[in-house]
Amino acid sequence: DTAVSQTPKYLVTQMGNDKSIKCEQNLGHDTMYWYKQDSKKFLKIMFSYNNKELIINETVPNRFSPKSPDKAHLNLHINSLELGDSAVYFCASTDRGVLDEQFFGPGTRLTVL
Amino acid sequence: AQSVTQLGSHVSVSEGALVLLRCNYSSSVPPYLFWYVQYPNQGLQLLLKYTSAATLVKGINGFEAEFKKSETSFHLTKPSAHMSDAAEYFCAVTISGGYNKLIFGAGTRLAVHP
Repeated sequence: DTAVSQTPKYLVTQMGNDKSIKCEQNLGHDTMYWYKQDSKKFLKIMFSYNNKELIINETVPNRFSPKSPDKAHLNLHINSLELGDSAVYFCASTDRGVLDEQFFGPGTRLTVL
Repeated sequence: AQSVTQLGSHVSVSEGALVLLRCNYSSSVPPYLFWYVQYPNQGLQLLLKYTSAATLVKGINGFEAEFKKSETSFHLTKPSAHMSDAAEYFCAVTISGGYNKLIFGAGTRLAVHP
């Protein structure tokens, strides 16, 4: 009964490759997010979608492209992977209210060699 | 713009001792504040949130936090630490109309020793 799930959990790849991370939530939420957690545990928002519409787009290289086929799914595609992309990527979801809790997925640890 | 500063990247306490994790915020408009916990190799879980209804907020697992506007602080406390409290704790801020965009502090790692 996982609320927010991500696949894969671990991803090891070479520089220059293209990879995708998938996220699904079964909470019926309208809004989903991608966060990046670096090696020092610092968490930073990357993107947010509300009902398949992009509402937050932080200063992220355009090699990163989110896609939301429906409001339960938010995928992250990364082109031409670089060493600095190595991090843990978290997906989260919430209802529309600003005071609502964000529910986080278990994370995807990306290692770029 | 909003920001959060967590004082102390590492805090170590004995089991049964008071836990105090510090968080100061900066916001030009009334903020909403959150504490999240991250256990090893897991996602984040909400501990508690301040939504302007009450300045003393009680959360899960015996944690509570007090919003002090004069000090721009939202420190997290627990009277008696348990070994299972060992984790990374994140303070975060958002504002109304901000699409629930959370700005996180750098985190504080809590170690609990016997």
